[in-house]
Amino acid sequence: LAKTTQPISMDSYEGQEVNITCSHNNIATNDYITWYQQFPSQGPRFIIQGYKTKVTNEVASLFIPADRKSSTLSLPRVSLSDTAVYYCLVGDMWGGKLIFGQGTELSVKP
Amino acid sequence: NAGVTQTPKFRVLKTGQSMTLLCAQDMNHEYMYWYRQDPGMGLRLIHYSVGEGTTAKGEVPDGYNVSRLKKQNFLLGLESAAPSQTSVYFCASIHATGLDSPLHFGNGTRLTVT
Repeated sequence: LAKTTQPISMDSYEGQEVNITCSHNNIATNDYITWYQQFPSQGPRFIIQGYKTKVTNEVASLFIPADRKSSTLSLPRVSLSDTAVYYCLVGDMWGGKLIFGQGTELSVKP
Repeated sequence: NAGVTQTPKFRVLKTGQSMTLLCAQDMNHEYMYWYRQDPGMGLRLIHYSVGEGTTAKGEVPDGYNVSRLKKQNFLLGLESAAPSQTSVYFCASIHATGLDSPLHFGNGTRLTVT
């Protein structure tokens, strides 16, 4: 199982771009990378998922280098409502045991 | 389409009591998971199931049992509750077809053991 390492916390200001990097040195060939967002008292919700290179959707971008040993979640122009905990999950694309890391607590200030 | 539904939402137990948490999903997902989240901490995997009738241990399985008799339901049981099991319990499910198949979470069950 690929273990993930993220910064415990990050601070930002409204309107800035935020990049959160996750390390997963022992990622396996069948593993994909998924990022989740969790607000207090709620279950995590899906943000973005990728296998390699760059993925972009309406809320974020995910950058994955060729060696896939890390990934970076990019949130453009954050707002106060982006204050949350962000988890990087590396798991087999066919399911099985899915272990979360500690997550990154992002605090966005006015 | 309700997604993942957890019942109950809240529960208070006394030490030694037993209870069952129910997770139901209506997305025809093959895999289901139970996580616990202690205050200020991340999610820890308790047990999971890759199909009807099959279960497997996660990171912190001791003190819990699970059953998956029907594909849409995943039950988490506490045989003899302890204060250390005070936590928020999240159920999740996933469609095992590869990419574009993220976990879907319920809203959690807040359990307090006194």
